Amino acid sequence: EPEVTQTPSHQVTQMGQEVILRCVPISNHLYFYWYRQILGQKVEFLVSFYNNEISEKSEIFDDQFSVERPDGSNFTLKIRSTKLEDSAMYFCASSEEWVGQPQHFGDGTRLSIL
Amino acid sequence: GQQLNQSPQSMFIQEGEDVSMNCTSSSIFNTWLWYKQDPGEGPVLLIALYKAGELTSNGRLTAQFGITRKDSFLNISASIPSDVGIYFCAGPETSGSRLTFGEGTQLTVNP
Repeated sequence: EPEVTQTPSHQVTQMGQEVILRCVPISNHLYFYWYRQILGQKVEFLVSFYNNEISEKSEIFDDQFSVERPDGSNFTLKIRSTKLEDSAMYFCASSEEWVGQPQHFGDGTRLSIL
Repeated sequence: GQQLNQSPQSMFIQEGEDVSMNCTSSSIFNTWLWYKQDPGEGPVLLIALYKAGELTSNGRLTAQFGITRKDSFLNISASIPSDVGIYFCAGPETSGSRLTFGEGTQLTVNP
């Protein structure tokens, strides 16, 4: 069964450094998402992306965050200057359609900021 | 934004028992999704519900979309040790496709 793949599985970064998290969505999906989950908490929406632009973003997704689809298969999340509170699991998801079709999640990248 | 309330927060059951958990919202959802998350992994879709009153099964799992569109429940019958994990309900907000997740129900199954 097709799946969303994310790399790396674990990223350790010094505070203030830039980090790029990578995702390969399911190949025929058109809508891409990033979510984050702080340890022990629920999954929170960050941003959605379609047709090479951001469709929606949450209040968490501030100027330190950016997303890009650099080629036909990858979807990346960049955090420009990481803070301690950015430590979390970051999940990429994709879906075939905007509303109504379920989103399928990758296994996440655990980001640890030191 | 919309909020989903899940209950119970945690459950400890014996293998073979049936389990029921539910999810409520103060606002209407047009789709209800149930996901399971194992430690260190991403949420895996279990069941998707699209119509009020809909009852859908996936093996030992059954979920229903409430008539009011403000609630949903998930039942697991004859639980087994691999059912252990966190179960989340989720739904897309009416203004777009961002998923709102519940707080999760942590299920422990004792062999």
